[in-house]
Parts: sequence; structure tokens; C-alpha cells
Amino acid sequence: DAGVTQSPTHLIKTRGQQVTLRCSPKSGHDTVSWYQQALGQGPQFIFQYYEEEERQRGNFPDRFSGHQFPNYSSELNVNALLLGDSALYLCASTQGVRGETQYFGPGTRLLVL
Amino acid sequence: AQSVSQHNHHVILSEAASLELGCNYSYGGTVNLFWYVQYPGQHLQLLLKYFSGDPLVKGIKGFEAEFIKSKFSFNLRKPSVQWSDTAEYFCAVRSNDYKLSFGAGTTVTVRA
Repeated sequence: DAGVTQSPTHLIKTRGQQVTLRCSPKSGHDTVSWYQQALGQGPQFIFQYYEEEERQRGNFPDRFSGHQFPNYSSELNVNALLLGDSALYLCASTQGVRGETQYFGPGTRLLVL
Repeated sequence: AQSVSQHNHHVILSEAASLELGCNYSYGGTVNLFWYVQYPGQHLQLLLKYFSGDPLVKGIKGFEAEFIKSKFSFNLRKPSVQWSDTAEYFCAVRSNDYKLSFGAGTTVTVRA
């Protein structure tokens, strides 16, 4: 039973660039949520995708966008990178928007220079 | 929007000591409550969760948590810790919008 997978594991970008992070949900799950975890902080909810649409969004600017594919995998895109975007980006999946438990992937660590 | 407060940033204790981590949340409606753990080099894993029923919830690895509605608290406990319990612990709350809000986390260091 494959868990949540994310790629890449690490990424270095410079200010102003754009980045795309990828996530494959746990087998049997159809809902994907993205979180940003800054150093020393808890994860902060970015948005959630279900049926290829953004269903919920946290307090993040429009520079953060996403996509969900028919196979339930998802991408997180961040445009015009800022130094403050440096963080661990976590993907979590559930069965349905109301799924009881979110299963997390290992994360992608993004460093913006 | 709900917020989650974890009382301790870093806790250091010896093996066999008892552990209690505090968690308070601010939301007046129905909530679902979670404790997640992140062991060094590993991803976030669910320790336990509370949705309804008995307010004393038992999780994996000997952990338990008690939901006290009147105090908006969901404290995590373990009677006797092991070196392998060294990790970062996160309290999380989900309200009726199904968004998960996390506390800042507590780093627990267990000395052998």
C-alpha cells in the first residue's frame, strides 16, 4: 500500500523564479491538501483539491496555485518566489473532503536564495 | 478561524519519566482533535485523534490524550517515555470547514 509520495525532496531556487512541486496521494485517496511548514513552526494550510477543483484555501497569496489531475495526483506552483517562501512543503491526502485522517508525505524542502 | 496553542516549545526529560504536553484551541463549535508526531528524518504520523465519545483517547505507542471541552484543551500524555519518543509533537484542530490548523509544535528530547 503506497503512501503519499512527493517530489523532488529538495529544491534550490532564486528570488523571482517559479517552482512546481508534485504529490501522489495514498492509494485509495482522492483529496489532496498542501501545507507550508516554516522552520520552527507547525504546518500552515495552503489549499485542498478534490475532483480537480480547489475546495478550500488558507491565507496564502495568489502566487500559490495548484492543480489536481484525473489520477488524483496534484501539483503546487509558486510564482515570483520570495525569500520567505523557503520552507518544507507538505502534501497530505484523505478519502473525500471530509476524510477523518490526513496522511502526510515526506515533504519537499524549498530554499529560496 | 481557529487557532492552536502548544504550551511548551522544548521539553527535555529522562527515560521512564512521565510526559504531558499541553494544547489549547480557540473555536467554539464542534471540533475534531489530533496529535501528530514527527520523528527525526521521518514524515508526520498520526498518534491519536478525537472525534466524539469517550474524551480519553488512546493512541499508538502508549500515548493518550484527554479532551476537556470546558477548557478547550487536548493534552497529550505518556506515563513512561523511552529514548525513541524523541520527536516533534504537533497538536491539530479541525473545525466544520474541514481545514486542519496546527500548533507550533513541541520538541521532546528524551535522555537515555
